[in-house]
Amino acid sequence: AQSVAQPEDQVNVAEGNPLTVKCTYSVSGNPYLFWYVQYPNRGLQFLLKYITGDNLVKGSYGFEAEFNKSQTSFHLKKPSALVSDSALYFCAVSAPSGNTPLVFGKGTRLSVIA
Amino acid sequence: DSGVTQTPKHLITATGQRVTLRCSPRSGDLSVYWYQQSLDQGLQFLIQYYNGEERAKGNILERFSAQQFPDLHSELNLSSLELGDSALYFCASSVVGFAGANVLTFGAGSRLTVL
Repeated sequence: AQSVAQPEDQVNVAEGNPLTVKCTYSVSGNPYLFWYVQYPNRGLQFLLKYITGDNLVKGSYGFEAEFNKSQTSFHLKKPSALVSDSALYFCAVSAPSGNTPLVFGKGTRLSVIA
Repeated sequence: DSGVTQTPKHLITATGQRVTLRCSPRSGDLSVYWYQQSLDQGLQFLIQYYNGEERAKGNILERFSAQQFPDLHSELNLSSLELGDSALYFCASSVVGFAGANVLTFGAGSRLTVL
């Protein structure tokens, strides 16, 4: 069964600085990888996904993620953080075959400080 | 507004009781997924339905059950409630019958508090 690890419960970064939210995964075969964001009192919103092709994926709000197959990682990045980026970020993985559900990590709370 | 509607938004009940959470998927979506979000367990997949049939099952307790109706709305029934069932329950929907490469659209959630 697939799984996702987000090693950091909390990431703090100053506004204007680059940010990275880490994610590693485990799945049989080629993975489908996702990042979702959850703002307070809201549902999860899709940010970006990796299916195949270019290892650098660009998504909404200036976020991007880099797929690294050898390290089984899919870290979320942004060159310059905004206070409004403060939220809970979830990495998720699914597999291309079978009725495998989308499995989420436990989430990383990003706090961007002005 | 994501197009996925969940009711009620908040629910407070007592241990031993039974509650029903309702989800209407985004227009055109045939699949409904239920997830439970708690502080210690993160976001846990419970169950998925596609066009009225159960498609995938996760860590769903025997006290919990779900179904999807002909109009595609879904209900999650939680019975013999325990304090540990207090959580945020999310419904998500997608067009196709498996998660795969598809983006799930999430509702705003139903917050259940068991006292």
